This record gives sequence, C-alpha cells and structure tokens, in this order.
Amino acid sequence: QAVVTQEPSLTVSPGGTVTLTCGSSTGAVTSANYPYWFQQKPGQAPRTLIYDTSIKHSWTPARFSGSLLGGKAALTLSGAQPEDEAEYYCLLSYSGARPVFGGGTKLTVL
Amino acid sequence: QVQLVQSGAEVKKPGASVKVSCKASGYTFTNYYMHWVRQAPGQGLEWMAIINPSGGRSEYTQKFQGRVTLTRDTSTSTVYMELSSLRSEDTAVYYCVRKNGMDVWGQGTTVTVS
Repeated sequence: QAVVTQEPSLTVSPGGTVTLTCGSSTGAVTSANYPYWFQQKPGQAPRTLIYDTSIKHSWTPARFSGSLLGGKAALTLSGAQPEDEAEYYCLLSYSGARPVFGGGTKLTVL
Repeated sequence: QVQLVQSGAEVKKPGASVKVSCKASGYTFTNYYMHWVRQAPGQGLEWMAIINPSGGRSEYTQKFQGRVTLTRDTSTSTVYMELSSLRSEDTAVYYCVRKNGMDVWGQGTTVTVS
C-alpha cells in the first residue's frame, strides 16, 4: 500500500498564506490520484474542502484552493483566519488499489 | 436535506463483532456509492471500504479484507458496516461518507473494544 505524506505541523500568521502538501511514495501525484482535502476541528467530523485536485464544495471558503505543485497535491490557504486552525488531511486514490489518507497536518494560526 | 444518520455508540468485547448502520435521506440512495472511514483516538483518518448501494458490490482495503463486510438495504436506504474479530486497536469512530466529492459525512459512531 502506498504511503501518503503530509507535513506534521505548520504555522501561519493571521492574514498570511500557507501551502500544505500531499506526497505519495509511488511517485508524483497527478490528477489521476483525484486528491481530496479535508478539514477537521477537535471533536467534530471531518469536512471535505476540495476534491478532484481543485474542485470546491459550496461551503468551501474562497481562501482555500487546491492544485498540483512539484509532484504533490497542494492546499493553499490565502488570508488565514483564526477559525482555520485545524487538522487537515489529504486522500489519494490509486488505480487498482484502495484510497489512502495522509497522516494529517496540524495547522496553527498564530 | 441530504443527511446520513448513523447508529449509536457500541461497546464490545475482544473477538466479538459490531454492525454499524448508516441511514441515508434526502437523495436517491442507489445513485451514490458510500465510503467507510475510521479514526482511532488521537489518530488520523483511515479509509476502510466502499459499497455501491445499487448493486451491493463492495471493495475493501487489504488491511480489513476478511474482517469487514458492507451490506445495504435499499428498502430503508441504509448501509451497514460489520467488523468482526474485534481487537482493542479497532476502538475508533467510524464514519460513512457519501461518494459525491465526499460531500456528506455521517455523525460518526464510536466503537469501543474493551
């Protein structure tokens, strides 16, 4: 099974920009991995922000965007707000194999 | 509105089985696959399995092959996840998630194995 890697923790200043990444042990992440991004706050169920690399749900704040960057999937937060402090997970799909979550990134807004 | 309502918390002994339900409402049940994801205490998310409510075909990650079974009842728009041979490491919150950009999550069902 592939291993999906994320930064364990990141810090961003209020109003600042930060990019979270999602890599794969099998090689470069592409659109064929259909990357997902999820936000989870303590005590809550996860909420899906981005799917299929860059598609947002209706509830996804405009300050979040998804892309492919340097062989990884990326979630960019532009104009961080205090309420964006949370754990963020990515999910990658693999042809002929089952989807795999990354270990999560704890984002601190400070 | 579209929602997934899961069954209540369970406490099981090691070696037992648990069956968690996920009742869908607000949409055509057979039109969307359903994922199952779990999260152990203080840990990350783990993808377990997926089912096609239309034909009932399911796929499981290798880790759970042989221990997890997904079924569905189209008459009640309900998907079931049964996990057998429970061990302490199966203590977790279990979520059903609609496969439409994973847009709708159940509230989660806590399963404690002790």
